[in-house]
Amino acid sequence: KNEVEQSPQNLTAQEGEFITINCSYSVGISALHWLQQHPGGGIVSLFMLSSGKKKHGRLIATINIQEKHSSLHITASHPRDSAVYICAVGRTSGSRLTFGEGTQLTVNP
Amino acid sequence: NAGVTQTPKFRILKIGQSMTLQCTQDMNHNYMYWYRQDPGMGLKLIYYSVGAGITDKGEVPNGYNVSRSTTEDFPLRLELAAPSQTSVYFCASSRQGDAYEQYFGPGTRLTVT
Repeated sequence: KNEVEQSPQNLTAQEGEFITINCSYSVGISALHWLQQHPGGGIVSLFMLSSGKKKHGRLIATINIQEKHSSLHITASHPRDSAVYICAVGRTSGSRLTFGEGTQLTVNP
Repeated sequence: NAGVTQTPKFRILKIGQSMTLQCTQDMNHNYMYWYRQDPGMGLKLIYYSVGAGITDKGEVPNGYNVSRSTTEDFPLRLELAAPSQTSVYFCASSRQGDAYEQYFGPGTRLTVT
């Protein structure tokens, strides 16, 4: 079993829909990261959080440390949100990240 | 700031050839990382460095070598390329460790035939 599991693997939505991507992990962490990989391949960091909730524009990330679970929400989804969304965790003991396999999101107009 | 830059963007190697993937960052970050991404798979850590002169193995180091002589540069060396090393390679950096945002380079797409 992977230490970081994402669901769903693939998600197709219509423009305007509310999107939720889930991430569960099985190790102690210092921080959880959400990343976005564009269709062209570039990777950017969206959020880094160790507790609670963060919001940036239409994106919201939450984390529940007790349940070892995080969610990434996209409100009013748009075709330009189509990308792979990657969850990664930093362990309490380490200096490196462990990555989930990503969720491919496609938003149709 | 250019951020993290990688060269080349694309490369085709023959089996047994060697090459160096270059990575440079201009953010004065201590930590640098090399990852590979195979189709449909998550990022796997090859090597990382916590500062100049210090490197350590990640999950998949076999067939690769690194050096970190300066804060800015973290080249990845492939010796005796094999088809299993066909992948997309990403370099990343962060100010400190895993509780800090990582900044990624644009990637190098490598094919070994």
